[in-house]
Amino acid sequence: QQPVQSPQAVILREGEDAVINCSSSKALYSVHWYRQKHGEAPVFLMILLKGGEQKGHEKISASFNEKKQQSSLYLTASQLSYSGTYFCGTELADADYGQNFVFGPGTRLSVLP
Amino acid sequence: DGGITQSPKYLFRKEGQNVTLSCEQNLNHDAMYWYRQDPGQGLRLIYYSQIVNDFQKGDIAEGYSVSREKKESFPLTVTSAQKNPTAFYLCASSIVSLGQGVYNEQFFGPGTRLTVL
Repeated sequence: QQPVQSPQAVILREGEDAVINCSSSKALYSVHWYRQKHGEAPVFLMILLKGGEQKGHEKISASFNEKKQQSSLYLTASQLSYSGTYFCGTELADADYGQNFVFGPGTRLSVLP
Repeated sequence: DGGITQSPKYLFRKEGQNVTLSCEQNLNHDAMYWYRQDPGQGLRLIYYSQIVNDFQKGDIAEGYSVSREKKESFPLTVTSAQKNPTAFYLCASSIVSLGQGVYNEQFFGPGTRLTVL
């Protein structure tokens, strides 16, 4: 049930772009994205709902392909502050009410000067 | 300012002891969650609560217990039955429980780092 994230880790130079992917084997209702800096709490970035709605920070963009059960997070013109571990969380479309949300293993992003 | 507080930030426990981690929120959220994070790993759900006086086991509930007597509070007890409790523990809340298909971001507390000596 846990989604798969790729790549596991990525290293960038400032100004470069990156894409982080999240995929599930089951039909999804929504995908959530969070960023966690070392030793800190995860911070919300974006939610993408089935049907195309999304809510998140202006400087973050993401896509959600419902048919493929995949989501991608796009980080453009990366800054040093983008460094951290990015987690996707998936909400299943057909599960019973309640516990149907699970986080992926994370993608570690390092932005170098 | 609204938010989630966790205490203590660091906690040391001897083997065989029970310890309780505090989590308080003033966001007026119905749902609260406890996650465990091991070094270099993702977040695994221990327990969650959708409403006061109600809670359900997550993926790794064995060796843990919770209570939800007040909307604002969701303490987690790590019992002696938990064989490997050293980890970073995160508490979170959301307006309503995840799974209801609504915009529902989770707000996280700063975490408690538990070490068993």
